[in-house]
Amino acid sequence: GAGVSQSPSNKVTEKGKDVELRCDPISGHTALYWYRQSLGQGLEFLIYFQGNSAPDKSGLPSDRFSAERTGGSVSTLTIQRTQQEDSAVYLCASSFRAPNEKLFFGSGTQLSVL
Amino acid sequence: AQSVAQPEDQVNVAEGNPLTVKCTYSVSGNPYLFWYVQYPNRGLQFLLKYITGDNLVKGSYGFEAEFNKSQTSFHLKKPSALVSDSALYFCAVRVLRGGADGLTFGKGTHLIIQP
Repeated sequence: GAGVSQSPSNKVTEKGKDVELRCDPISGHTALYWYRQSLGQGLEFLIYFQGNSAPDKSGLPSDRFSAERTGGSVSTLTIQRTQQEDSAVYLCASSFRAPNEKLFFGSGTQLSVL
Repeated sequence: AQSVAQPEDQVNVAEGNPLTVKCTYSVSGNPYLFWYVQYPNRGLQFLLKYITGDNLVKGSYGFEAEFNKSQTSFHLKKPSALVSDSALYFCAVRVLRGGADGLTFGKGTHLIIQP
C-alpha cells in the first residue's frame, strides 16, 4: 500500500477483555514502531522492531502488553485484560533502517475501554 | 537518557505574524532531531530533520528550524503564520545506541493561529 495501515480505526471493549491491534507497514521498511498517544501525555514509545533482531520492548507499560511481527512485515499489538487506563490512540510507524530516516505514521487505533 | 522538552503546551499567534515553537534536547551523543505535525483527526506527518551540516534546516509548508548546540535547542519557526498551521507539533530526538535507536518524542505543543 501507499502508507502505513492500521486496523481497526476504532475499538471499544469492556474492561478485562483482550484486544488485538494490527499494523501493516510500508513495503520495504525494516523498522516498525508502536507508540501510544494519550490526552496530555504526548507520544509514549512502546516497542520497536528492526528486521530479524530481538525487539526493543523497553516501553511496554506492563506484562499485559505484547507485540509480534510476522515475516518482517505485519505487526500485532495485543493487550490482555484491558484496563480503563489503556484507553488511548495506538499509533504504528515504519521506516527504513537508518537512524536519520523519517518515520511514516498510520492513522492510529482509538481504543476505548469501558 | 535521551529526551526532548517542549516547554509550552500551547502557543497562540496572530495570522501573518512569525511563529516559534520551542524544543530543547538532552542527549549524550550527536542528536538527530525531527519535527512532526499532527493535524486534527490525522496521523503524524514529518516536517523536517537535522542530521548534520547547516544549522538552519528548511522543511515542509514553509517551516524551518535552527539547531543550536550551545543552547541544546531546536526551535521550529515560520516567518508568517497561516490559520491552516494550527495543529499539534512534536519535537523528537534519535540517537544511535548500538542496535537500539528509538525515536523519543516531546509532549507536543498546540499551535493556534488566530485569524
